[in-house]
Amino acid sequence: GQSLEQPSEVTAVEGAIVQINCTYQTSGFYGLSWYQQHDGGAPTFLSYNALDGLEETGRFSSFLSRSDSYGYLLLQELQMKDSASYFCAVRPPQRDSGAGSYQLTFGKGTKLSVIP
Amino acid sequence: NAGVTQTPKFQVLKTGQSMTLQCAQDMNHEYMSWYRQDPGMGLRLIHYSVGAGITDQGEVPNGYNVSRSTTEDFPLRLLSAAPSQTSVYFCASRSGDQPQHFGDGTRLSIL
Repeated sequence: GQSLEQPSEVTAVEGAIVQINCTYQTSGFYGLSWYQQHDGGAPTFLSYNALDGLEETGRFSSFLSRSDSYGYLLLQELQMKDSASYFCAVRPPQRDSGAGSYQLTFGKGTKLSVIP
Repeated sequence: NAGVTQTPKFQVLKTGQSMTLQCAQDMNHEYMSWYRQDPGMGLRLIHYSVGAGITDQGEVPNGYNVSRSTTEDFPLRLLSAAPSQTSVYFCASRSGDQPQHFGDGTRLSIL
């Protein structure tokens, strides 16, 4: 089956830049999404890369390289409120997924702690 | 604009009891899913639906049933609760390749 790998924890200083990587163990997939989840809350959508390259939304950017089955989320000018878990997600090719190609498969998440 | 609504928010059950977690969305989304979230395990897909009358199993379907009689509603049933089903349950919906919307979650404890 498919799997996504992310670092389990990252710590960064307020005002700094942090990059959270995500690799996918298959030859192809339909785009890469990122979701943010604060403790006790629901996941919320951050960004989506349908094509290779960089997508920028304010302080957050996301990158995708299909040939490398790799992507990352870049957070700039970190704020304390950015402390949360970040999940990458893909919609795998139908041949690889017992759940069909309709539903998202999520990584286990990266817990980001922003310190003063 | 309610989005995805889950009820109840919290529930405690005894082993062997049954219950239904409710999920409703008002965005006319065709795709709906149920996930469970356990510490260190991320979000694991339980069951999903691609439209009214169509459901299928996800990664961890055992012990759960679903039905999709309308576009709006996608209830999750625990037939005989077990302590291993203690978790946080999220319902989600989306349309096409648009972002997935999640409910606020149901925190379920099985004693």
